[in-house]
Formats: sequence, C-alpha cells, structure tokens
Amino acid sequence: NAGVMQNPRHLVRRRGQEARLRCSPMKGHSHVYWYRQLPEEGLKFMVYLQKENIIDESGMPKERFSAEFPKEGPSILRIQQVVRGDSAAYFCASSPGGTGTEQFFGPGTRLTVL
Amino acid sequence: GIQVEQSPPDLILQEGANSTLRCNFSDSVNNLQWFHQNPWGQLINLFYIPSGTKQNGRLSATTVATERYSLLYISSSQTTDSGVYFCAVGSYIPTFGRGTSLIVHP
Repeated sequence: NAGVMQNPRHLVRRRGQEARLRCSPMKGHSHVYWYRQLPEEGLKFMVYLQKENIIDESGMPKERFSAEFPKEGPSILRIQQVVRGDSAAYFCASSPGGTGTEQFFGPGTRLTVL
Repeated sequence: GIQVEQSPPDLILQEGANSTLRCNFSDSVNNLQWFHQNPWGQLINLFYIPSGTKQNGRLSATTVATERYSLLYISSSQTTDSGVYFCAVGSYIPTFGRGTSLIVHP
C-alpha cells in the first residue's frame, strides 16, 4: 500500500528556470494539499485541490506559482522563473475525505535555486 | 486565522527520560494531528486526535478541545525520537505550529 509519492526528491534550478514538482496521492485519496517549509519553520499551506478542481489557493503566491490535479496523473506544482527565495522544501499531502480528515504526507521535494 | 503555539521550542533529553510537548490553539477545531519530522525531513503521522486520548507504544496524546490545547507525551525516550514535533490544527485546512525541536542524547 504505497504512501504519498513525490518526485523529484531534490531539484536544483538556476534563477529564471521553471520547476515542476509532482505528487501522487495515496490510493483512494482524491484530495491533495501542497505546503511549503522554509528552514527552521513549520509548514505553510499553499493550495488544496481535488481532481480537476482548485478548491482553495489562498496560500499560493499570486505570480509565478500554479497547481493542477488532472483527471489522470499526478498533481503538479509549477513555479515559473524561480528566484532564490523559492528555495524550500515542498510537501504534498493527501486525504481520503475533505477538510477535517487526516492528512498523509509525502517525502517532500527540496528545491534549491542557484 | 487560527493561531497555533507549541512549547517548548527546544528540548534536550537523555535517553530514557520522559517529556511532554504542548500545543495551544486559538479557536475551536475539528482536526488536530501530531507529526514527527525526522532528521531526514520526512513527516510521520503520530496521532489524529481532535479530542480525547490515544496511545501508541511509548507515545500518547491528549486533546482537550474545550480548553484548546493538546499534549504529546513521550516516555522512555530514545535517540530515534530526535527531530521536530509539529501539531497541525484547524477546522478547514490545518495550520501548523512552529514545532518543538527534540534532541535525545545517548
């Protein structure tokens, strides 16, 4: 019973490049959440998605960041024209039901922007 | 939004000691989880505990929702318990506290 999968685990990008982070939820889970963790801090909510729908993107920066969860395939968090301040660990979580249900986290993607 | 405060921020223990970590929150909630982030960065689910008491081996947790706090107890600590312990609280999207960093020395 595979858990939440994220890839890549580590991603290095130069300033101005694009970063694509992928998340496959646990089997049977249709709710996906993305969080960002800066060094020495807790996780900050970015976006909540269900299949083909963005439910809440209140934590997402207005520019350069986007997320999708297509009918088929993993959820994608896309960061365009990365800057050094985007360097962080990005975690994906999934849950079987909606908000208020238990979340399970993937191993994270550590993005480094040179 | 909801405010989540964890204490203490840092904790250093000798192997075998017991400890209590606290999570205070500012509003009524229907979702509270405790996580352990190990030194490799992985987030491990410890408890889903919006109310009541649960135990799992050397760990137990109690949430008193009416008084807006939760406690995580670690007994007979081991070096593998080292890492950061987060509580995440909310009625919608959970808000994370800043965590308690635990170091257990052999």
